[in-house]
Amino acid sequence: QQKVQQSPESLTVSEGAMASLNCTFSDGTSDNFRWYRQHSGKGLEVLVSIFSDGEKEEGRFTAHLNRASLHVSLHIREPQPSDSAVYLCAIASSSFSKLVFGQGTSLSVVP
Amino acid sequence: GALVYQYPRRTICKSGTSMRMECQAVGFQATSVAWYRQSPQKTFELIALSTVNSAIKYEQNFTQEKFPISHPNLSFSSMTVLNAYLEDRGLYLCGAQQGRGTEVFFGKGTRLTVV
Repeated sequence: QQKVQQSPESLTVSEGAMASLNCTFSDGTSDNFRWYRQHSGKGLEVLVSIFSDGEKEEGRFTAHLNRASLHVSLHIREPQPSDSAVYLCAIASSSFSKLVFGQGTSLSVVP
Repeated sequence: GALVYQYPRRTICKSGTSMRMECQAVGFQATSVAWYRQSPQKTFELIALSTVNSAIKYEQNFTQEKFPISHPNLSFSSMTVLNAYLEDRGLYLCGAQQGRGTEVFFGKGTRLTVV
């Protein structure tokens, strides 16, 4: 069964500095990787979906996937205080929308 | 655009009673719908995956007897939490998808408080 680990557990960055979040997984046959964020008390907001090795950019958010290394990362360019939230990595482990979520990284962006 | 409406957004129920939550897909066909729960201080865990014209598959620790799901067509799904107790509180999300490899659209969640 797919296992997903995120690091770090929490991260504080200054406004404007790059923020990098990591996610490792156990099953490299998955073909469906997503990054979401959850503001306090809210639902999920999809940031980037990536389906093949390499890089995918959505605005200030860039995901890097390397299935051979069982690793997917998220980089946030020029983070702002409004980006402070919990970031969740999710990986599909079957044909449809059965996502396995990581424990999340709590990001704080300070002015 | 594609959206999933989930309601109610918040609900409070007495211990031992039941509550039902619903999801409506707009702008796409919800071939599969997954229901997740985020318990306090935890990540999201899958409850069950429902695919139209297929049996609903429940994950370990979740049963149809506790979380009955209905997925009668390509735009609607509902889930009931029967006999809710404190351990059932949390944020419940539905995620709908049209086909393999396509985007999953989430509702905004139903926050269940049990008193």
